[in-house]
Amino acid sequence: GDSVTQTEGLVTLTEGLPVMLNCTYQTIYSNPFLFWYVQHLNESPRLLLKSFTDNKRTEHQGFHATLHKSSSSFHLQKSSAQLSDSALYYCALSTGANTGKLTFGHGTILRVHP
Amino acid sequence: DAGVTQTPRHEVAEKGQTIILKCEPVSGHNDLFWYRQTKIQGLELLSYFRSKSLMEDGGAFKDRFKAEMLNSSFSTLKIQPTEPKDSAVYLCASRLQSHEQYFGPGTRLTVL
Repeated sequence: GDSVTQTEGLVTLTEGLPVMLNCTYQTIYSNPFLFWYVQHLNESPRLLLKSFTDNKRTEHQGFHATLHKSSSSFHLQKSSAQLSDSALYYCALSTGANTGKLTFGHGTILRVHP
Repeated sequence: DAGVTQTPRHEVAEKGQTIILKCEPVSGHNDLFWYRQTKIQGLELLSYFRSKSLMEDGGAFKDRFKAEMLNSSFSTLKIQPTEPKDSAVYLCASRLQSHEQYFGPGTRLTVL
């Protein structure tokens, strides 16, 4: 079945440094949809980014990610971390062929300190 | 537009009780999902409905968890009987076949 791997459970950064959260996926389908959801403390997850176009950068709220089908990756990046970026980040996959459900990674906690 | 609503926001149950969680999806959305969220397991899919039809029932959660969608604007998740390991946040989400899911605020369940 489909799977999503987020290798880091916790990433701790100093404010102002670049952010990179890793996401790789496995699926037999050739047209995956990839998503990043962000969940702040005591809130529910909300969509941050999505993409289904190979090698095209997608951006929102200072974050960006590029779907690379050749490496099955969709890493989340930001040039300069802010304290308010501290949250739980989920990478998720939908293929449309698997009844349309989302397969989530285990999540990465990002902690940004001064 | 109103987002996904869930009630109650908090529930405390004794082991062995039956509890029912409620969800109202975004109006017009035809896909509805129930998830369980814990620190250890992250987000786990419990049930998935499309146009009120059950598409997936979450495999491992079948025996004590039952989700229903009696109409397009209301869904329930029944846990019977509850066990302490069921303590978690239960999230409901809906979408309009655009692949983007909108999550509700969740119900925090504590089973003593």
